Amino acid sequence: DGGITQSPKYLFRKEGQNVTLSCEQNLNHDAMYWYRQDPGQGLRLIYYSQIVNDFQKGDIAEGYSVSREKKESFPLTVTSAQKNPTAFYLCASSIQLAGGQISYEQYFGPGTRLTVT
Amino acid sequence: KNQVEQSPQSLIILEGKNCTLQCNYTVSPFSNLRWYKQDTGRGPVSLTIMTFSENTKSNGRYTATLDADTKQSSLHITASQLSDSASYICVVSAMAPDKLIFGTGTRLQVFP
Repeated sequence: DGGITQSPKYLFRKEGQNVTLSCEQNLNHDAMYWYRQDPGQGLRLIYYSQIVNDFQKGDIAEGYSVSREKKESFPLTVTSAQKNPTAFYLCASSIQLAGGQISYEQYFGPGTRLTVT
Repeated sequence: KNQVEQSPQSLIILEGKNCTLQCNYTVSPFSNLRWYKQDTGRGPVSLTIMTFSENTKSNGRYTATLDADTKQSSLHITASQLSDSASYICVVSAMAPDKLIFGTGTRLQVFP
């Protein structure tokens, strides 16, 4: 999985609780991403970060929060405001090319399957 | 609207046979197209990346083609193996803003 680790692999929570998913990379990549994958749908971007202490909302950021205090870490918090949090969550990273453009290649972690009941 | 459509949704083949997966896109302006393989419960792994000027790219038994005029791509798998059982995802990158549009994938099952 290209030097990206996500933990835990499976996570169970009760409705109304916040939960934080871990993502760590040792590839020295500048950019990191969080995606959500649901059955029958393509991956959807939640948040991304191109540099430490900076991040931007993706297409479905509502109910989620992130931080980027270290280059190698990009944790995602699923808050109680997320109406349908049960899903497979994927973290990815890529290098930053000269001029700020993001590299073509994104490396994905193994994913965390979150189930909220 | 930027979209990526893949067909078929699912495919069953016998071990040793060839197969071709299709990807049609309406993304503009186009930057590049990628094919990923995703095993069940795992993260996607890149197979090929093609830019506008590339028509064909191979990675072992996987060969991807791109027709930028018709906005179509295909992924051909030769002499399939049981380990090829996975979902194959077509991803198109748009320029300005730099954005990835993911297809919903083709679920391939290879049986002995």
